[in-house]
Amino acid sequence: DAMVIQNPRYQVTQFGKPVTLSCSQTLNHNVMYWYQQKSSQAPKLLFHYYDKDFNNEADTPDNFQSRRPNTSFCFLDIRSPGLGDAAMYLCATSRDLEGENLNEQFFGPGTRLTVL
Amino acid sequence: AQSVSQHNHHVILSEAASLELGCNYSYGGTVNLFWYVQYPGQHLQLLLKYFSGDPLVKGIKGFEAEFIKSKFSFNLRKPSVQWSDTAEYFCAVLSYNTDKLIFGTGTRLQVFP
Repeated sequence: DAMVIQNPRYQVTQFGKPVTLSCSQTLNHNVMYWYQQKSSQAPKLLFHYYDKDFNNEADTPDNFQSRRPNTSFCFLDIRSPGLGDAAMYLCATSRDLEGENLNEQFFGPGTRLTVL
Repeated sequence: AQSVSQHNHHVILSEAASLELGCNYSYGGTVNLFWYVQYPGQHLQLLLKYFSGDPLVKGIKGFEAEFIKSKFSFNLRKPSVQWSDTAEYFCAVLSYNTDKLIFGTGTRLQVFP
């Protein structure tokens, strides 16, 4: 089945120790998103890639970076995790082509990050 | 600022009861509307969506939602809930102006047998 895969499902890191979360998709979607979801809150968009174009949200901390080496993969790098970065990180994809109106986003299972 | 409001944070129902979850948004212009569901331990899944046309949309598992443009609302309904409907429900709005999907804070639904 076509899907969005996130690894690992659970990640524990130490305060200040860089961590990378990964996302892959078999949907061949051109747009990939990273969301942060803290407990009992709505998912919050951090950034997204429209094809190779990176789009950062204005309030996303510099501590968060992303890479998309190819269509299928996207990474979230947290350079120096703080206690406040503990959250569920969701990857999503969508097919968004000019002239079409297919903005449904497909979500992965998420990676729960714990910062010690 | 653009926002999505879900008025019910926690809803507790018995099986066979009817459900209505409220969702209001504060966008002008054209929007796409979604309800996502997150079952315990699982990922967000699309329940239903509205892009255009008939404002009453039907989704999976017997859910439906009605888009009322004049009220900026997109309420989710189900005539008879089941224990398996226990989950977190998120309303989300995609504004054509911003091209971003904005989520409400979610409603936790608990259904007891």
